[in-house]
Amino acid sequence: QQQVKQSPQSLIVQKGGISIINCAYENTAFDYFPWYQQFPGKGPALLIAIRPDVSEKKEGRFTISFNKSAKQFSLHIMDSQPGDSATYFCAASLILTGGGNKLTFGTGTQLKVEL
Amino acid sequence: GAVVSQHPSRVICKSGTSVKIECRSLDFQATTMFWYRQFPKQSLMLMATSNEGSKATYEQGVEKDKFLINHASLTLSTLTVTSAHPEDSSFYICSARPRFLLRDRVNYGYTFGSGTRLTVV
Repeated sequence: QQQVKQSPQSLIVQKGGISIINCAYENTAFDYFPWYQQFPGKGPALLIAIRPDVSEKKEGRFTISFNKSAKQFSLHIMDSQPGDSATYFCAASLILTGGGNKLTFGTGTQLKVEL
Repeated sequence: GAVVSQHPSRVICKSGTSVKIECRSLDFQATTMFWYRQFPKQSLMLMATSNEGSKATYEQGVEKDKFLINHASLTLSTLTVTSAHPEDSSFYICSARPRFLLRDRVNYGYTFGSGTRLTVV
């Protein structure tokens, strides 16, 4: 019930295109869904996050779409740029039920944006 | 705000020796810190959760005597890999969560350090 499934494993997008990464979860008690961006040799950095009381959140070129009934959420990167090439992880947590609840990570998506 | 510093960024040690990795929250107090291990092209695997002033909680399969965690203050947690062996070579990452939630209701912390590349030879 703690699993978060992420797809695709890798993704190649042309510059200017839309990158879409999908995640599905099983635990309906999760109440915090962040996306992280990780460059080689670095720690993950929070990109954007959403709570399940909204269906979409947009920050610049990054949008999270959230489907509570389907238990799915996705990251859309508009106008993808070569600098967006990185590994992206979705995650889920029970953020409000305790002070120190852990994040459950997806398996990661390696995104490459080609010129 | 919410910066986590991890040191060292890279370390090479001989088999059988111990290595200490530090994780510091620079501009906030963190009652809870998390330690992860990441193999190449894989996801982050939670090793343990450390709470200030108490014993760490280890995930199943993680040897507590091998990976010693100390969270002695609200800004510092350390991971010591004892009697390191080549199979312990990995990328170790810490994460800290603020003691008080940030004003942005969807940015609940979990700030990550920059990671430590451990190579045991």
